[in-house]
Amino acid sequence: DTAVSQTPKYLVTQMGNDKSIKCEQNLGHDTMYWYKQDSKKFLKIMFSYNNKELIINETVPNRFSPKSPDKAHLNLHINSLELGDSAVYFCASSRSQGISEQYFGPGTRLTVT
Amino acid sequence: GENVEQHPSTLSVQEGDSAVIKCTYSDSASNYFPWYKQELGKGPQLIIDIRSNVGEKKDQRIAVTLNKTAKHFSLHITETQPEDSAVYFCAARKSSGNTGKLIFGQGTTLQVKP
Repeated sequence: DTAVSQTPKYLVTQMGNDKSIKCEQNLGHDTMYWYKQDSKKFLKIMFSYNNKELIINETVPNRFSPKSPDKAHLNLHINSLELGDSAVYFCASSRSQGISEQYFGPGTRLTVT
Repeated sequence: GENVEQHPSTLSVQEGDSAVIKCTYSDSASNYFPWYKQELGKGPQLIIDIRSNVGEKKDQRIAVTLNKTAKHFSLHITETQPEDSAVYFCAARKSSGNTGKLIFGQGTTLQVKP
């Protein structure tokens, strides 16, 4: 009965590789998000989709490309991974893009070596 | 752009004592202020939130106060327990544009000593 799930939980890869992180929510929410949490625990939004439409695109390198095949899924693809991409990536969802509670997934710890 | 400052960065209290975490925000248009608790190895979980038309909100041992004039809000945890130990984040957002963009504070690591 997991609300927001992410796979994989851990991802270790080498510089230059391409990797994807998947997110699914079973809450029937319209809006989904990707956040990055750095080594100092700072949380920063990267992207947001509402009903499969991109509504937030922060200053993120274009090596990062989100894809929403349907409103229950938001995947994150990262090309040409760099050391600085190492972080914990959280997916979240909310009922709407207005003021509503955001539910976070368990996170994906990405380590680039 | 919007900025949220959170203090202190670490807080250690004895079990049973109260803990207070404070945040200030820069954008006066902000109107929604959630607090999240993040336990080790888990995602942030909403514990309480407050909207700008309310000055205080309480839920059992936790309470949040908002001072719109001063642009600051605080989290109060009373009768702390070891299971309250976690990282706490404040956040702020504004409804204009309806993008749902939350700006987070830097986080406070709370340690409750038994």
